[in-house]
Amino acid sequence: DIQLTQSPSFLSASVGDRVTITCRASQGISSYLAWYQQKPGKAPKLLIYAASTLQSGVPSRFSGSGSGTEFTLTISSLQPEDFATYYCQQLNSYPFTFGPGTKVDIK
Amino acid sequence: EVQLVESGGGLIQPGGSLRLSCAASGFTVSNNYMSWVRQAPGKGLEWVSVIYSGGSTYYADSVKGRFTISRDNSKNTLYLQMNSLRAADTAVYYCARDLPVDYWGQGTLVTVSS
Repeated sequence: DIQLTQSPSFLSASVGDRVTITCRASQGISSYLAWYQQKPGKAPKLLIYAASTLQSGVPSRFSGSGSGTEFTLTISSLQPEDFATYYCQQLNSYPFTFGPGTKVDIK
Repeated sequence: EVQLVESGGGLIQPGGSLRLSCAASGFTVSNNYMSWVRQAPGKGLEWVSVIYSGGSTYYADSVKGRFTISRDNSKNTLYLQMNSLRAADTAVYYCARDLPVDYWGQGTLVTVSS
């Protein structure tokens, strides 16, 4: 199985900050990676797919990059509604594992 | 408008069985990849199973042989039959469309406890 790690696990930031979250795969997954945002008590929301393609309706302050084994999610200017937990998911091979999550909290 | 509404969760004893349903509207289940994803209380997301438009199914190792994903095209509904339930299966179960998931249900809580 492909394992995903995310760093950091927890991130404390202020409104307006630039935030970067890293997702690393235990083996190459080409660009078969998606990013989701989840708020407490809610279902996740798709932000990015194919590593760098912005899902329709998602603000342009979110961006993704990477291929192979290392990927990043960047929020260019953190907004109050962005405080949440972020997960990556690989879609290269079964099982379609998720990363452990990165919680972004208010500083 | 795309909607996914899960039902069937509840409290069940270890070793018991439960069937989750996911009623879809706004699209045709049989034309899409449909998955189940679960989340244990306070934990991260875990992909459970997928059924493709052609009918092929795949499972996470943790549920293989115990869970069965299926669909009823006439009812536009997705199912997850869960047998031999364990405490570790306690989670909110989400019904999800496509891979990556573009629409999620609200989730249904399954609690396995004596």
